[in-house]
Amino acid sequence: EDQVTQSPEALRLQEGESSSLNCSYTVSGLRGLFWYRQDPGKGPEFLFTLYSAGEEKEKERLKATLTKKESFLHITAPKPEDSATYLCAVGPSNTGKLIFGQGTTLQVKP
Amino acid sequence: DGGITQSPKYLFRKEGQNVTLSCEQNLNHDAMYWYRQDPGQGLRLIYYSQIVNDFQKGDIAEGYSVSREKKESFPLTVTSAQKNPTAFYLCASRTSGGGWNEQFFGPGTRLTVL
Repeated sequence: EDQVTQSPEALRLQEGESSSLNCSYTVSGLRGLFWYRQDPGKGPEFLFTLYSAGEEKEKERLKATLTKKESFLHITAPKPEDSATYLCAVGPSNTGKLIFGQGTTLQVKP
Repeated sequence: DGGITQSPKYLFRKEGQNVTLSCEQNLNHDAMYWYRQDPGQGLRLIYYSQIVNDFQKGDIAEGYSVSREKKESFPLTVTSAQKNPTAFYLCASRTSGGGWNEQFFGPGTRLTVL
C-alpha cells in the first residue's frame, strides 16, 4: 500500500536554530515527491518537486533532499515567519493522484 | 493574475441540505482535484478529473458528487448522504502534459454543518 509518514508531528525551534523535517514513503514507482507549506486557514503553497534520489533543491532558508525511501526538508536559521505546517506528498506511477502525509507543524519562536 | 479561486470562503449548511462548492482556474490546467482536510489529518482525495467530461472517485467519494463540463470549472456538491461534512475543502489543479507536475491549490472553503 502506498503510504507517506511525516515526522515529527510538531516541532518548536528558537529563531536561528536549524533543524530537519522527515518524510518517509513507500510507493509503487515514485513519479515525484512534493513539498508544500500551509498557513492556518489557507491552501497549501507549493515549495519543491523532487524526482530522483540524490536530487536537492533550495529556496531561501529551505533545502529539500531525496533518497529512495525518504525526503528531508532542512531549515537553516529559521525565522518566525517560517512557522507553518509543511506537507509532503508523493505521486505513484500512472495514477494521476498524490498521496499526502499528515504534515509537520513548525513553530519558530523569536 | 492566473490562479485558482474557490467560493465561498465559509459555508454553513443545515443537516439534510445539499451544498455546492465552486472551484475555478484560469491556469489552463487539464487536471483538477478536490481534497478534504480535517484537523490532524492529511489531505484526502475526494474526486479528480483529468479531462473535461470525465472524472474519477478518490479515496473518500461517498456522499459527494462532481461535474466537469468546462476545463476551468470543477464544482463539488456535498450531499445529505455525507455523514460528517464539516471540514476544510481544497481544490487543486495541475497541467497534465509530460511528466509529473505539481498541483496548485486554491484558498479553500470551510464548510460547517449546523
